[in-house]
Amino acid sequence: AQSVTQPDIHITVSEGASLELRCNYSYGATPYLFWYVQSPGQGLQLLLKYFSGDTLVQGIKGFEAEFKRSQSSFNLRKPSVHWSDAAEYFCAVALTNTDKLIFGTGTRLQVFP
Amino acid sequence: DVKVTQSSRYLVKRTGEKVFLECVQDMDHENMFWYRQDPGLGLRLIYFSYDVKMKEKGDIPEGYSVSREKKERFSLILESASTNQTSMYLCASTSTGNTEAFFGQGTRLTVV
Repeated sequence: AQSVTQPDIHITVSEGASLELRCNYSYGATPYLFWYVQSPGQGLQLLLKYFSGDTLVQGIKGFEAEFKRSQSSFNLRKPSVHWSDAAEYFCAVALTNTDKLIFGTGTRLQVFP
Repeated sequence: DVKVTQSSRYLVKRTGEKVFLECVQDMDHENMFWYRQDPGLGLRLIYFSYDVKMKEKGDIPEGYSVSREKKERFSLILESASTNQTSMYLCASTSTGNTEAFFGQGTRLTVV
């Protein structure tokens, strides 16, 4: 069965530090890959997505993610974290462009000044 | 500005009550979804719909039903609320051919 793993439940970084959030998926073919962010008390907002082509994708708010087929990973990165980035981050996959999304369990990011 | 609106941000219901959670989208999207979000479990799909009057079970449909009488509206129904249904419920919609999902702000339901 298709699944998404986010191994880090909670990450704490200092403002200005770099960030990498991990995401691994389990599926025979390359699925459609997404990262969403949820600020406190809010719904989810799409940060970026990967369907095909260049394996390094740029998103909103200065985030990027790199698809690595050999590692079945789609890790999210940001070179310099801002206090406003504190939120919960979800990786998600879909089998096709019209399929339902399957989410990981999320990583809560805390940012210290 | 695209919008998915959930009728309530917070609800408190009693055990055994029938509960309706409403979701409306103004983007003419074909597909709508209901998820529940619990700490440590992420988002789990309850039901989804690809068209009016159509519904499909997700991963955790037990204890829930849905209704989609109009394209823009997707209702989640708890037939007899139980305390283990206390959770955050999120509605989302997508258009056919575009898996980017737009989410409502969520309904935090407490069953006492």
